[in-house]
Amino acid sequence: GQNIDQPTEMTATEGAIVQINCTYQTSGFNGLFWYQQHAGEAPTFLSYNVLDGLEEKGRFSSFLSRSKGYSYLLLKELQMKDSASYLCAVRFYNTDKLIFGTGTRLQVFP
Amino acid sequence: DSGVTQTPKHLITATGQRVTLRCSPRSGDLSVYWYQQSLDQGLQFLIQYYNGEERAKGNILERFSAQQFPDLHSELNLSSLELGDSALYFCASSVDGSNYGYTFGSGTRLTVV
Repeated sequence: GQNIDQPTEMTATEGAIVQINCTYQTSGFNGLFWYQQHAGEAPTFLSYNVLDGLEEKGRFSSFLSRSKGYSYLLLKELQMKDSASYLCAVRFYNTDKLIFGTGTRLQVFP
Repeated sequence: DSGVTQTPKHLITATGQRVTLRCSPRSGDLSVYWYQQSLDQGLQFLIQYYNGEERAKGNILERFSAQQFPDLHSELNLSSLELGDSALYFCASSVDGSNYGYTFGSGTRLTVV
């Protein structure tokens, strides 16, 4: 299967920390990506995980557990501009295509 | 500018018509992917081309077709358009195996009236 599940919406306060979870049920896994997408705009790359563990990049971190089919994106020191949709996507070996979850719409409040 | 160019940015057309969306990939990228994003929906994979050859097919309707030309630009053809085809159509490109996934173009917003 290629089910990729994320919460539909989340809210958080400016300056806080938020964790967005993603679970996937798929075979041929070859990496998990997180993208940010502001309304009506193109998705932009945030992070990539192919091995288990945590990848940190500034205010954003992403974690992967291949055995559990689970990833999360951690956003620290939230800013108003972080209000956007966050898309989890899985890549497959033989075609290099990315399959996207439906995305999590994050709203950051003052 | 991501390096992936999509034209046109906006397109309004009537039901039953045919349109062509164009995409030029980032320099050096051989793979082109097309995605459809309807209102409040996730990105739905349509089709992938690699160096001129079709490589993977997703939920692409028979009314839709695509191709990649020798200069690596790609076109997505949508025919017999229906109201439900109104969506954002994104093109993305990549170097196979890249740890950065895809680079997306700014999209074409298609409105069918």
